[in-house]
Amino acid sequence: EVQLVESGGGLVKPGGSLRLSCAASGFTFSSYSMNWVRQAPGKGLEWVSSISSSSSYIYYADSVKGRFTISRDNAKNSLYLQMNSLRAEDTAVYYCARVTAHLRGMDVWGQGTTVTVSS
Amino acid sequence: SYVLTQPPSVSVAPGQTARITCGGNNIGSKSVHWYQQKPGQAPVLVVYDDSDRPSGIPERFSGSNSGNTATLTISRVEAGDEADYYCQVWDSSSDPYVVFGGGTKLTVL
Repeated sequence: EVQLVESGGGLVKPGGSLRLSCAASGFTFSSYSMNWVRQAPGKGLEWVSSISSSSSYIYYADSVKGRFTISRDNAKNSLYLQMNSLRAEDTAVYYCARVTAHLRGMDVWGQGTTVTVSS
Repeated sequence: SYVLTQPPSVSVAPGQTARITCGGNNIGSKSVHWYQQKPGQAPVLVVYDDSDRPSGIPERFSGSNSGNTATLTISRVEAGDEADYYCQVWDSSSDPYVVFGGGTKLTVL
């Protein structure tokens, strides 16, 4: 079964750090670009970051640029999001999502992990 | 940056047709993808490349894209179609790289 499972969310104080992980299974992880997408409580979807299959291309939303770092370990079938200098507005459910070939949407999503930034 | 505009809500009676629009400057020149999200669940891709359906998505879901508007059409709406729907495009020529619409809440009356 094709599956993505996020972990690493939790409660953190403003200015703190967290590292999210996304474990992939059931497909050839190294062949796919991956995204992180978040959703603040009661709000819509917001793209956070993208990484190509070989990590050659990396993109960030302006709202997280300079604070978040996306990475992947194809040998471990894992995607990561290092989040530093966290702010209250980073509070959200964070999803990892697989990008289809030729950018035909995001066809596999994890169940999400919740990050709460609060003092 | 590129902006996608969706109506906040659309209501439709069961068995009728729902149309959810996604507006953007010359969006017809881009490929539009649509996601369905039910409460407490992750999004699900229901239409990609304007009008194609992933396997497992009912034929009742269809899409079109021309000019400044893309449209997700849901025929013979069922109660189980009640959800939030988001359009999305890739915009490699600008920042941000991935753009979502604000989402539309579909209510089945």
